Amino acid sequence: AQSVTQLGSHVSVSEGALVLLRCNYSSSVPPYLFWYVQYPNQGLQLLLKYTTGATLVKGINGFEAEFKKSETSFHLTKPSAHMSDAAEYFCAVSDRSGLTGGGNKLTFGTGTQLKVEL
Amino acid sequence: KAGVTQTPRYLIKTRGQQVTLSCSPISGHRSVSWYQQTPGQGLQFLFEYFSETQRNKGNFPGRFSGRQFSNSRSEMNVSTLELGDSALYLCASSLGPTWTQNTEAFFGQGTRLTVV
Repeated sequence: AQSVTQLGSHVSVSEGALVLLRCNYSSSVPPYLFWYVQYPNQGLQLLLKYTTGATLVKGINGFEAEFKKSETSFHLTKPSAHMSDAAEYFCAVSDRSGLTGGGNKLTFGTGTQLKVEL
Repeated sequence: KAGVTQTPRYLIKTRGQQVTLSCSPISGHRSVSWYQQTPGQGLQFLFEYFSETQRNKGNFPGRFSGRQFSNSRSEMNVSTLELGDSALYLCASSLGPTWTQNTEAFFGQGTRLTVV
C-alpha cells in the first residue's frame, strides 16, 4: 500500500523567509506525487504534481518541489513566504489503481498547517 | 467555466438518520471521487465513479454508498448516521487519470455534515 508522511503538523515562518514543508512517501511502484493547498472552509487546490520526467517540479504561486527517489521525498519549497500562503498543505500519492488501472485514488498525508508571521 | 459544485454546503442531521450529498462535476469530466475529511483521520478516500461505474472503493463500511448518473453528477449516501460521520465531505472531478501529465483533480468546496 502507498502512503505519505508529512513531518511537522505546524510550521511557522516569517514573511519573506524560506518555506520548507516535508513529505516522504512509501510506494512499491513508481509514485505519482502531488501537493495540494486548502484554505479555511474551502476545497483543495492543486499546487503541483510529479508524474514522470523532470524531478524538479514548478507549481503555482511560486512553489516548487523536488522528487528524490533515493530519499523517497517530495518536499515543497518557496523562496519567500507571503502572508497569503498561510493555509494547510497536503502531500498526496496516487497510483494506477482501481478495476482497470485507470483509477484516481489519492492517498493524503496528515497535512501541515503553515503560519506566516510579520 | 463552472467549478465542481457540492450541495448542500452545510447539513445537520440526527444520529440514525440518513443523508444524501450531491456533486456536480465540471462539464465534460467523467471521473468523480469522494473524500471524507476529519480532524482525527484526515483526508480519506471513499470511492470513485467513472461513467456510472464504481471504479475504486476505500475502506468504509457499507453504510457509505454512492452512485453516478449519466450526466456524470454523483451522489453519496450515508445511512444510519453515527456521531463519527461528522466531517467535511469533498468531491473531486477530473477529465481522466490524475497521474497523467495534463490532468488535474478539481475539488469542490465540500459539504460540512454535522451529526448530533
